[in-house]
Amino acid sequence: GQQVMQIPQYQHVQEGEDFTTYCNSSTTLSNIQWYKQRPGGHPVFLIQLVKSGEVKKQKRLTFQFGEAKKNSSLHITATQTTDVGTYFCAGPKTGNQFYFGTGTSLTVIP
Amino acid sequence: DAGVTQSPTHLIKTRGQQVTLRCSPKSGHDTVSWYQQALGQGPQFIFQYYEEEERQRGNFPDRFSGHQFPNYSSELNVNALLLGDSALYLCASSLYGGRTGELFFGEGSRLTVL
Repeated sequence: GQQVMQIPQYQHVQEGEDFTTYCNSSTTLSNIQWYKQRPGGHPVFLIQLVKSGEVKKQKRLTFQFGEAKKNSSLHITATQTTDVGTYFCAGPKTGNQFYFGTGTSLTVIP
Repeated sequence: DAGVTQSPTHLIKTRGQQVTLRCSPKSGHDTVSWYQQALGQGPQFIFQYYEEEERQRGNFPDRFSGHQFPNYSSELNVNALLLGDSALYLCASSLYGGRTGELFFGEGSRLTVL
């Protein structure tokens, strides 16, 4: 069945360092979404990518969708303590049914 | 504009019992999806309701059932609870066939089964 894997599972960075998480799907995705979940919180939508090779930026966050639409990445430049949380990618199966990745937990050391 | 609301926030049950969790979607949304999130894992899709019918279902046993009411609110029922059902249950609302498919999550109901 369809699987969405993320690496790394955990990442500890010093404040100010960059951070990247990678998402890989076993099948081609029509689109991919990214969510952030703060510790003890719920997932919050960040962005959706639809086009092959698409790149979108939100301030210090850069999102990419692979050319084959089977992988994606999230890069954070100059991390801050407010970036702490778990980042999930999610790919659709059918309709609004989404498979969530395993997540990357980011810890930022002040 | 109220977001997605879920109740209760926390509950403790024993094995074999039954539980009902409730969700009110974001204003203007007509679709409710339920997810189970075990500790340290990503959310796992349980099922989705639209127009008071179950439209899609993930890989969960029949012990998991749901309902959607005319006002779009929804319930998740779990029968014959197992220890492994302990998790955060998340409700997500959206627009059926919405162009972006963005999911708005509630804060969840944390279920502990003893």
